[in-house]
Amino acid sequence: GAVVSQHPSRVICKSGTSVKIECRSLDFQATTMFWYRQFPKQSLMLMATSNEGSKATYEQGVEKDKFLINHASLTLSTLTVTSAHPEDSSFYICSARQGARGQPQHFGDGTRLSIL
Amino acid sequence: AQTVTQSQPEMSVQEAETVTLSCTYDTSESDYYLFWYKQPPSRQMILVIRQEAYKQQNATENRFSVNFQKAAKSFSLKISDSQLGDAAMYFCAYRSPTGANSKLTFGKGITLSVRP
Repeated sequence: GAVVSQHPSRVICKSGTSVKIECRSLDFQATTMFWYRQFPKQSLMLMATSNEGSKATYEQGVEKDKFLINHASLTLSTLTVTSAHPEDSSFYICSARQGARGQPQHFGDGTRLSIL
Repeated sequence: AQTVTQSQPEMSVQEAETVTLSCTYDTSESDYYLFWYKQPPSRQMILVIRQEAYKQQNATENRFSVNFQKAAKSFSLKISDSQLGDAAMYFCAYRSPTGANSKLTFGKGITLSVRP
């Protein structure tokens, strides 16, 4: 089946640091990629949607200057949390989909980000 | 906007028994997709089952089946012969098929525990 690789799986860093998370589709071309944030025991909250070569579309309330998303190729999207603070600590999950109609979304294994 | 409601936050089932997880949604569209995702403690999102709204036949995947009631906008998941490995958080999700940016709308999720 389709595989989405997300890296790193765990990050611990100091406040003020910028952190980059990579999301790769290993065996298919991801026309669209999605970035989610999830708090413990809660649902996934969509942060932004990106199409290859286009600017990401951010959900209401998500700071685009804080969470930089780049979808430079059909197999790679990155999320950079800039000047991270403790309140940015969370579980971040990427998801990728090939095409639009009817295609399922495949999820990465997530990144646990802890800001000290 | 579409909404997905999972009103039960937790459920428990005895191993080998059957359990049904409920989900309702609200939409004005006639064509859409519905999904159930499983998220075990590892936090990996796993697609359990998928239903296309224009298909009247309920989807089935081994021990997992759905009861799709389009008029009632209900999409419940039945797990037969429950196993310890079924213990996880389960999310119901809706997706419109149209547009490259059509995105998943998740319910709040339900935590399923399996008693040995």
